[in-house]
Amino acid sequence: QKEVEQNSGPLSVPEGAIASLNCTYSDRGSQSFFWYRQYSGKSPELIMSIYSNGDKEDGRFTAQLNKASQYVSLLIRDSQPSDSATYLCAVNQNFGNEKLTFGTGTRLTIIP
Amino acid sequence: DADVTQTPRNRITKTGKRIMLECSQTKGHDRMYWYRQDPGLGLRLIYYSFDVKDINKGEISDGYSVSRQAQAKFSLSLESAIPNQTALYFCATSDPGQLSNIQYFGAGTRLSVL
Repeated sequence: QKEVEQNSGPLSVPEGAIASLNCTYSDRGSQSFFWYRQYSGKSPELIMSIYSNGDKEDGRFTAQLNKASQYVSLLIRDSQPSDSATYLCAVNQNFGNEKLTFGTGTRLTIIP
Repeated sequence: DADVTQTPRNRITKTGKRIMLECSQTKGHDRMYWYRQDPGLGLRLIYYSFDVKDINKGEISDGYSVSRQAQAKFSLSLESAIPNQTALYFCATSDPGQLSNIQYFGAGTRLSVL
């Protein structure tokens, strides 16, 4: 079982709709969770971090964390063509841990 | 200027050659990392370093070595390159003062081994 799992996609969403990206993780001791956006051939760019159960909103982005279900998601409201990218979920096992474990990413395409 | 700089950005080499990929940062972070990315496999950790005297293997260190020349510099070497080391390589940094371990990435080096 992979430590961090994501649906590879592609996920196609009409412009203006809500895109929902999901990630599950296997280590119950995980403490911090990140979503990175990566455009093709470019480096990953942090867009959201979340550490506590519940929702965290930043502009059009909302991260949701449910530690009991070992599940973290990213919602993108009012999707724009510029949101088309691969979204990587990353998990840090505990505070101070030196390593992030990345999922393989979900490719999102926003259809104009 | 980029906070995390990788050189070269692109490199084509032949099987058996020794090559070095370099990473430098101006973020003042102590922790540095090398990853490789292959289609469908995500980011995989090769080596990481907490400070100049600390080097640790990641999940795929075989065939690679690293050198931490200074707080700001962390180099990755392929002693004898082979075609399956063709990949996109990323350097990243993080600040130990930040317990959450947010990592910041360089622009990447695209390596092709023929």
